[in-house]
Amino acid sequence: GAVVSQHPSRVICKSGTSVKIECRSLDFQATTMFWYRQFPKKSLMLMATSNEGSKATYEQGVEKDKFLINHASLTLSTLTVTSAHPEDSSFYICSSRGGLQETQYFGPGTRLLVL
Amino acid sequence: AQSVTQLDSQVPVFEEAPVELRCNYSSSVSVYLFWYVQYPNQGLQLLLKYLSGSTLVKGINGFEAEFNKSQTSFHLRKPSVHISDTAEYFCAVSGRNDYKLSFGAGTTVTVRA
Repeated sequence: GAVVSQHPSRVICKSGTSVKIECRSLDFQATTMFWYRQFPKKSLMLMATSNEGSKATYEQGVEKDKFLINHASLTLSTLTVTSAHPEDSSFYICSSRGGLQETQYFGPGTRLLVL
Repeated sequence: AQSVTQLDSQVPVFEEAPVELRCNYSSSVSVYLFWYVQYPNQGLQLLLKYLSGSTLVKGINGFEAEFNKSQTSFHLRKPSVHISDTAEYFCAVSGRNDYKLSFGAGTTVTVRA
């Protein structure tokens, strides 16, 4: 299957700081990238959908000013958690799909811990 | 909109025994169906998918699933499990036009020797 990477794999930060997570599609052009959040022992919750070169579409209840998404190229999308607080601690996973693909390929996830 | 129900939250199974994970979905439009596996502290890996055609789909690691439109089900099976199959399994559905995935709550499979 296709390869999607995320960086960093885990990050610890102080409350009030901002954290940027990168999602890269390594072997195909990702026209659409998705960002998910997963709580412990829970399913994945879609946060937003980002299409290359356009603004992200956020799911209901997700603060767009809190979770900034940029999809500047066909291989890179970033999620910035601004002014992070302990309740933002979670496992963040991105996925990519390209062109006419029906399948999303997932990155390995980023574990964020806000102290 | 679509939704997915995974009927079993936890499935303990002995090594070399068969396993079936149940998944039902609801949707007002035609869908694509997927099974993903997640190992601890990792992302999701695609096991198999149903897009169209034959209702019996074979995937990686010896897994297969059968799409049943009348019962709106997509159950996952493996005839003989290994210890390494211990993981979280997610059933997911997307509409054929928007590609947004809706996930089930997940089924934890624990394989014991």
